[in-house]
Amino acid sequence: DTGVSQDPRHKITKRGQNVTFRCDPISEHNRLYWYRQTLGQGPEFLTYFQNEAQLEKSRLLSDRFSAERPKGSFSTLEIQRTEQGDSAMYLCASSPQGQGADTQYFGPGTRLTVL
Amino acid sequence: GENVEQHPSTLSVQEGDSAVIKCTYSDSASNYFPWYKQELGKGPQLIIDIRSNVGEKKDQRIAVTLNKTAKHFSLHITETQPEDSAVYFCAHTGGSYIPTFGRGTSLIVHP
Repeated sequence: DTGVSQDPRHKITKRGQNVTFRCDPISEHNRLYWYRQTLGQGPEFLTYFQNEAQLEKSRLLSDRFSAERPKGSFSTLEIQRTEQGDSAMYLCASSPQGQGADTQYFGPGTRLTVL
Repeated sequence: GENVEQHPSTLSVQEGDSAVIKCTYSDSASNYFPWYKQELGKGPQLIIDIRSNVGEKKDQRIAVTLNKTAKHFSLHITETQPEDSAVYFCAHTGGSYIPTFGRGTSLIVHP
């Protein structure tokens, strides 16, 4: 399967703990995006990378959130001192460079539950 | 980002009927309009998209129409089947490549 993969698929944690999610984009896609999705809503943009450079961050990305893409391939999203309001589906997407760069392909998501 | 209004929030049809979902946006710079299907527990899957230089695009039972003057675009599904049941999201993107999504339409196709 050459689609976007995310790990883990589900994460249950206690409030105050740190969590880290991983995203592996489609091979050779140089853009990688993170979104958050809550029940009854569409995906909300968090941040995106072009290769290893983090080019834009949403206001939703508080200082407890950090994302990295050190080698321009996989990316990690870390949430420190989790709060119950962080419970959501965290989606990753990737897109190619050049023509079709605006077409995004999503992974299956990581569902986070903060108790 | 710019908002997008999506209607209806829920759509219930009988198998074989047509379904239409409409989205309205405000950013005149938007030039790419994808539609995604999301099944329970899965990520959104791109099903069809249209660019601002085209008014209509069709792929088998699915079609999308775009009216740039009125700033709305619609998804049309004909001959609906139970496996079409899912949540459908519209989105639009300008030059930033960062899409704004609608709130979704839950489509239920009754056999």
